[in-house]
Amino acid sequence: EAGVTQFPSHSVIEKGQTVTLRCDPISGHDNLYWYRRVMGKEIKFLLHFVKESKQDESGMPNNRFLAERTGGTYSTLKVQPAELEDSGVYFCASSQKTGELFFGEGSRLTVL
Amino acid sequence: AQSVTQLDSHVSVSEGTPVLLRCNYSSSYSPSLFWYVQHPNKGLQLLLKYTSAATLVKGINGFEAEFKKSETSFHLTKPSAHMSDAAEYFCVVSDVLRGGYNKLIFGAGTRLAVHP
Repeated sequence: EAGVTQFPSHSVIEKGQTVTLRCDPISGHDNLYWYRRVMGKEIKFLLHFVKESKQDESGMPNNRFLAERTGGTYSTLKVQPAELEDSGVYFCASSQKTGELFFGEGSRLTVL
Repeated sequence: AQSVTQLDSHVSVSEGTPVLLRCNYSSSYSPSLFWYVQHPNKGLQLLLKYTSAATLVKGINGFEAEFKKSETSFHLTKPSAHMSDAAEYFCVVSDVLRGGYNKLIFGAGTRLAVHP
């Protein structure tokens, strides 16, 4: 069975550009989460979907970040416009109702 | 608010010697605690979890952790390190107020190096 997959694995963009990260959760997992680790800091929660609904988006840093999960399957996280401080690794995870979170390998974003 | 503190950013051991990765937590409630591991270019993998059952928790790959409420600690141990244990380890507490099991609060991580 496929795990959580994330694309791209690494993205390098210039400040002011737009980047869209994609996450495909494990099939059948209604819960989908985004976390990120910026340089030298802890991994931090961004938001949580249950199916297509945002359950908790308290960790989203500002309105330059937009997460969607149309149809309750895969999710995208768009950063527009990207700033230097957005550089880091963005992790996606999925879970069944209250079960273990399964993480993807992360998408590394470098903003120059 | 809940938080975790990993007391060592780097730990270096020789193969075959014991591993101790230290973690202290802060929680107003009975916490759920976890250890995750990230090997290079891999995703985060759950090693073990404590959810108010037995205080000594056994995980995968020979790791275990002991929940000590009096010391607010949840240290990770392994009797004998293997080269394949070299990775970054994260102590994690769940935010009971908001997301229960699902909203995780991570420590800063401890990089474990294992030397031959």
